[in-house]
Amino acid sequence: DAGVIQSPRHEVTEMGQEVTLRCKPISGHDYLFWYRQTMMQGLELLVYFNNKAVMDDSGMPKDRFSAKMPNASFSTLKIQPSEPRDSAVYFCASSRDSPGYTFGSGTRLTVV
Amino acid sequence: GQSLEQPSEVTAVEGAIVQINCTYQTSGFYGLSWYQQHDGGAPTFLSYNALDGLEETGRFSSFLSRSDSYGYLLLQELQMKDSASYFCAVEGTGGFKTIFGAGTRLFVKA
Repeated sequence: DAGVIQSPRHEVTEMGQEVTLRCKPISGHDYLFWYRQTMMQGLELLVYFNNKAVMDDSGMPKDRFSAKMPNASFSTLKIQPSEPRDSAVYFCASSRDSPGYTFGSGTRLTVV
Repeated sequence: GQSLEQPSEVTAVEGAIVQINCTYQTSGFYGLSWYQQHDGGAPTFLSYNALDGLEETGRFSSFLSRSDSYGYLLLQELQMKDSASYFCAVEGTGGFKTIFGAGTRLFVKA
């Protein structure tokens, strides 16, 4: 199993630009999570899906962030327009209906 | 809401035993997890406690007391490669989601 796959690994963009982060969960995992990690805030849950449906997006700034899961093997997190405060490492994680998540390698986003 | 407290840093000597504590406040509680994260890496799942008591996995053990809203991670026979950040995390009400503590940075010295 290749694990949770995220792309790109690094992204540098200018303020105001659109950014799309991608995630492929482990096959058979029904839950998919998007976390953001910064030194100040730690690991914050942005949104999570169960069987492709959004279950909780209360941690996501909805004016600029959107998350989709069009099929069981693909999810995107889009930021439009991006701002410098969005600079962080974004992790995707997946899980079956059991504790313990498998995290992807993350996308390091820098907004200048 | 939910909150977790754990020490920000712990230093220990190679070969020693170290305990990382975690206290939590949640509106509901299903279990306490522990994750390890090396610098530049992704969090890796270590253990999960849903019931009171000690769970052992090799050199690592995790303990939970639901009545005290308290748990700890015990690392034995410390190795240099154990230098990392360790996060406790709670799964509470509101669905199948996990909230992470701020993390404890463990430094293992030779």
